[in-house]
Amino acid sequence: QQPVQSPQAVILREGEDAVINCSSSKALYSVHWYRQKHGEAPVFLMILLKGGEQKGHDKISASFNEKKQQSSLYLTASQLSYSGTYFCGTERNAGNMLTFGGGTRLMVKP
Amino acid sequence: DVKVTQSSRYLVKRTGEKVFLECVQDMDHENMFWYRQDPGLGLRLIYFSYDVKMKEKGDIPEGYSVSREKKERFSLILESASTNQTSMYLCASSLVYGYGYTFGSGTRLTVV
Repeated sequence: QQPVQSPQAVILREGEDAVINCSSSKALYSVHWYRQKHGEAPVFLMILLKGGEQKGHDKISASFNEKKQQSSLYLTASQLSYSGTYFCGTERNAGNMLTFGGGTRLMVKP
Repeated sequence: DVKVTQSSRYLVKRTGEKVFLECVQDMDHENMFWYRQDPGLGLRLIYFSYDVKMKEKGDIPEGYSVSREKKERFSLILESASTNQTSMYLCASSLVYGYGYTFGSGTRLTVV
């Protein structure tokens, strides 16, 4: 079953922060985050494993709440280069394939 | 860097044609995947393979088949193309489970 991402779209000014959420109705083993720019391939950002962890990646970080089966991606002090569509992918068990959410379109304006 | 190469960027095929989409990765990854991407639906898994000659159905395998004769190459086959298979097709690979995927640039297929 596809995870649900929210919001579906967000518009920011440079320097503003954003949070993208990814929720599943099933227990998860891991959550992946990817960013896809228009006309390009999705690019891997980070993976979070069950056990509840948080990871950082420059000004982009993420958390995974195992009890809620929810992951959040945090974009801090957004830059123009952050624009794109963000996808979460969830894995229910180790060795399963990823199921992706519908995506969140992020636009950062000057 | 791992490279995943899809043979065609754009394809136009006629209804009923047999269509082959090719994907090659250059880093000895065990796992390879085929997804289709449609607006609002995200990426949906068609098939994946965890070893040569091994394949598993994903969420939407109907109308598709796959072939993996060599570790580096994973082919998606549309047995008889239909207009509802017009989509962006993305190939991906990963070293083992628990690692991030590397995606190819995609093939935009139009079936007329």
